[in-house]
Amino acid sequence: GIQVEQSPPDLILQEGANSTLRCNFSDSVNNLQWFHQNPWGQLINLFYIPSGTKQNGRLSATTVATERYSLLYISSSQTTDSGVYFCAVERLDSNYQLIWGAGTKLIIKP
Amino acid sequence: EPEVTQTPSHQVTQMGQEVILRCVPISNHLYFYWYRQILGQKVEFLVSFYNNEISEKSEIFDDQFSVERPDGSNFTLKIRSTKLEDSAMYFCASSVPGQIYGYTFGSGTRLTVV
Repeated sequence: GIQVEQSPPDLILQEGANSTLRCNFSDSVNNLQWFHQNPWGQLINLFYIPSGTKQNGRLSATTVATERYSLLYISSSQTTDSGVYFCAVERLDSNYQLIWGAGTKLIIKP
Repeated sequence: EPEVTQTPSHQVTQMGQEVILRCVPISNHLYFYWYRQILGQKVEFLVSFYNNEISEKSEIFDDQFSVERPDGSNFTLKIRSTKLEDSAMYFCASSVPGQIYGYTFGSGTRLTVV
């Protein structure tokens, strides 16, 4: 089956720093989404980005589908950005399920 | 912005009991899903549901689990005879056909089996 790998697994930064999170996937996909899981366990949808680049405030994402990776950029980090960031992809042969990476745990120190 | 609503947010149940987790998907969505996340692990697909029947299910979704859309708004996950290892966060999600806007997830129900 398709493999989704995220790096780095852990990241500790000072408030105000910038960061880049990476998601590699092993096969062609229909869909790719980035999620933020906050300390209460809630999944917050950040981007639906099967290809191209999107920006939302301090966050932006780029997916290069032909090279099977996606990047999530966080600029001017705030303590509220802490949590786990997940990449999830939808297999090309399935319209019904997302395959998830293991996540990047981000800690922003004040 | 439309939301997927899940209730309860936290449920504690005794081993062997049955639990029903409830979800209200976004009103114009037609595909519904359940995922689970055991503490500290990846999110895992359980089941997808469309047109009042299961579209796809994972190996996890065995006879212990069932889903139902009892009316026009609710979507439920029933877990029979709960086990300690069923303790997890359960997420409901919904999407439009083709998932052209991606999947919208609810806030989750944290199930603790004691």
